[in-house]
Amino acid sequence: ETGVTQTPRHLVMGMTNKKSLKCEQHLGHNAMYWYKQSAKKPLELMFVYNFKEQTENNSVPSRFSPECPNSSHLFLHLHTLQPEDSALYLCASSHYGESGANVLTFGAGSRLTVL
Amino acid sequence: GQNIDQPTEMTATEGAIVQINCTYQTSGFNGLFWYQQHAGEAPTFLSYNVLDGLEEKGRFSSFLSRSKGYSYLLLKELQMKDSASYLCAAMDSNYQLIWGAGTKLIIKP
Repeated sequence: ETGVTQTPRHLVMGMTNKKSLKCEQHLGHNAMYWYKQSAKKPLELMFVYNFKEQTENNSVPSRFSPECPNSSHLFLHLHTLQPEDSALYLCASSHYGESGANVLTFGAGSRLTVL
Repeated sequence: GQNIDQPTEMTATEGAIVQINCTYQTSGFNGLFWYQQHAGEAPTFLSYNVLDGLEEKGRFSSFLSRSKGYSYLLLKELQMKDSASYLCAAMDSNYQLIWGAGTKLIIKP
């Protein structure tokens, strides 16, 4: 496989469930990201990992818990979510650098519905 | 505050030309990106501008004016497959991306 792969593509869960989203990149990139995409709203950056170290957490509620076991894999653990958390969750990767174009390669997303 | 503005939706005719505008206000500036996102698919990179002027890539071109905080994406010879959302994002002085809400482009035969 090539690119960025996200599983599952669709997830329906109750507010008391615990589930995880998985992301895998086959591009040799050193940075991975979680974004939330809601209809008609800008992409919201949730978490950033550079070389497996979390470098950004944009005031995300603790019911979202990221995990980056290595530079190719990224997880988003979900528990006690709220209906307003229903959205498309996008994973992305890039060659992190502080200059020049930091082009993101996105996965197709995990569509989450919280009942 | 930091902000990106782009139209919510645009409609154009197959074979025609369409220009999608984007204005930005950021703390510092390190470039402007355009991404294309088809419904249910991943956003894909289209262009990056950091200097003023026009960059052409086949049917797609992107323009930047740093002094005006303005960019546009120009799509020529429109095809039905160009129906998608187009996302504008500016990189600030901390190399953080500030995203617009996207422009949904509808192509009619």
